[in-house]
Amino acid sequence: AQSVTQLDSQVPVFEEAPVELRCNYSSSVSVYLFWYVQYPNQGLQLLLKYLSGSTLVESINGFEAEFNKSQTSFHLRKPSVHISDTAEYFCAVSENTGFQKLVFGTGTRLLVSP
Amino acid sequence: NAGVMQNPRHLVRRRGQEARLRCSPMKGHSHVYWYRQLPEEGLKFMVYLQKENIIDESGMPKERFSAEFPKEGPSILRIQQVVRGDSAAYFCASSESQGQGAEAFFGQGTRLTVV
Repeated sequence: AQSVTQLDSQVPVFEEAPVELRCNYSSSVSVYLFWYVQYPNQGLQLLLKYLSGSTLVESINGFEAEFNKSQTSFHLRKPSVHISDTAEYFCAVSENTGFQKLVFGTGTRLLVSP
Repeated sequence: NAGVMQNPRHLVRRRGQEARLRCSPMKGHSHVYWYRQLPEEGLKFMVYLQKENIIDESGMPKERFSAEFPKEGPSILRIQQVVRGDSAAYFCASSESQGQGAEAFFGQGTRLTVV
């Protein structure tokens, strides 16, 4: 069975500082990887995904994540965060089940302060 | 094109009552997924439905929980005889296609509180 580990439950950071949110997964087969963001009292929004090809994927708002197969990781990074990035971030994997059945990590709360 | 619509947003039920959660997928989406988020936990897959068919319900509790996605109307997640442990946020997602790389769009969730 696959699983996702997000070791940091909360990451406090100052505005304009860089940040890395860690995600490790375990699976016996190839997977697809996703990062979702959840703002307070809202649903999840897809931030970025890795399906195949380049191991570095980027979002439109400056986040990027790199798929590292040997380390089974998919860490999320941003070189300079904004107050508005404060949210809960979920890493998820989807195995080759024929449909998108997501397994989520427990989430990391990013707290950006001025 | 409206997003995935879930209602109600908040639902309070007494122990033993029934809870009915509704989900209207995005226009043109025929694939619906239900997830449950317990406090301080990530989302857990419950069930995957296509129109009129349950494709995978491996995450559904064996008793009291059921889901449907009729030909017309929203998908319904039904919880009979609710207990305190059912208190959680229930999220619905929909996708246009079946592939595991297809993007699933999530609703805002229904927060169920059992008192």
